[in-house]
Amino acid sequence: QLLLQESGPGLVKPSETLSLSCAVSGGSISSSRYYWGWVRQSPRKGLEWIGSMFYSGITYYNPSVKSRVTISVDKSKNQFSLRLTSVTAADTAVFYCARHRVGATLGTFFFDNWGQGTLVTVSS
Amino acid sequence: DIQMTQSPSTLSASVGDRVTITCRASQSISSWLAWYQQKPGKAPRLLIYKASILETGVPSRFSGSRSGTEFTLTISSLQPDDFATYYCQQYNSYSVFGQGTRLEIK
Repeated sequence: QLLLQESGPGLVKPSETLSLSCAVSGGSISSSRYYWGWVRQSPRKGLEWIGSMFYSGITYYNPSVKSRVTISVDKSKNQFSLRLTSVTAADTAVFYCARHRVGATLGTFFFDNWGQGTLVTVSS
Repeated sequence: DIQMTQSPSTLSASVGDRVTITCRASQSISSWLAWYQQKPGKAPRLLIYKASILETGVPSRFSGSRSGTEFTLTISSLQPDDFATYYCQQYNSYSVFGQGTRLEIK
């Protein structure tokens, strides 16, 4: 059974960097069939895809956050990470890591396995 | 940008009812649409992808269909476990979710 587990600080100060990790168990992050990445959910914006990565390092990002986001992989630990810089209160959300399947073209995805989510609040 | 509009925002129904939730895309997305179910405090769960393909393990009372840019999720006979919020998501251009439909007990 595939399990994804998010971890990281629950509180980040404005203008600082949000960093989260997602540990994957029950499956390999190096699978050629899937991408991996992040979706967030807030009352203001609803569900929002943040970005996705392939184990080789190929990444796709939502244009709305592209200038601030990095998703990276650690194959040795079977986990991947999210960095979001220069955060504001608008970045407060529940962040989910998820396994992605490719849709219409590379860069389009739907999400078939999700972590439980972690709430990140941006506040001083 | 492609916008996804779900209706209704809230739906009241009873166990055993047949219910339909609609999602309309602002432009053509072919059949690149998924449906998710989310319960309070939980992650979304994939129900249907490519408009009408049932994800493994999802009960057959759930079905999806497409007519042009309008998509529907149908639950043929509501069960107590089905009361939740449902989201559509297009994945023809990036990945964009609808605003959700809350299905509540009448």
